[in-house]
Amino acid sequence: GEDVEQSLFLSVREGDSSVINCTYTDSSSTYLYWYKQEPGAGLQLLTYIFSNMDMKQDQRLTVLLNKKDKHLSLRIADTQTGDSAIYFCAESRAGGYNKLIFGAGTRLAVHP
Amino acid sequence: GAGVSQSPSNKVTEKGKDVELRCDPISGHTALYWYRQSLGQGLEFLIYFQGNSAPDKSGLPSDRFSAERTGGSVSTLTIQRTQQEDSAVYLCASSRTGTHNEQFFGPGTRLTVL
Repeated sequence: GEDVEQSLFLSVREGDSSVINCTYTDSSSTYLYWYKQEPGAGLQLLTYIFSNMDMKQDQRLTVLLNKKDKHLSLRIADTQTGDSAIYFCAESRAGGYNKLIFGAGTRLAVHP
Repeated sequence: GAGVSQSPSNKVTEKGKDVELRCDPISGHTALYWYRQSLGQGLEFLIYFQGNSAPDKSGLPSDRFSAERTGGSVSTLTIQRTQQEDSAVYLCASSRTGTHNEQFFGPGTRLTVL
């Protein structure tokens, strides 16, 4: 099975909050990331959190990390149509380099 | 260049042919990664380069896959005797070093094996 799991689809109304969830398996992961992929575009790093933190806020984005349950979430406040994209969760395995293990991605659809 | 570039952007090939995919990382980035994104799946790590050497090739799916990097810059991913299951988007990323630094991704090469 996959090492990083995400639900595949989320639909929200414009202006509402979106919460995208992710579970991972490797307790030695040092960093956890959220990437955004828009149609026809490359992956863009949105935010990341170090494994000794439990929350990080960056403008409309809030990342929560529950290390005990190996659960990561990304909350997008005041979701806009421009937020429609695929969001990938990724964990960085320890080992001196940044090998990323990705989930399958969550497709976020924002409707009026 | 301004970002990571990859060529070709699209490649259609017949089963059994060899293909070469190219990645030009951001100038000065010593770490380079190849990933594969199959339809409906996440990105799968293939190989990591630090400079010209590849300390981690653990993600290469079979011995038909190989990669090299020359001059600490351009990398080529070669797939020999392509199979239909090789059809995917192949993504390259680079970062300043091999430790925690943001990986900048290229737009990918979409490979279709008929």
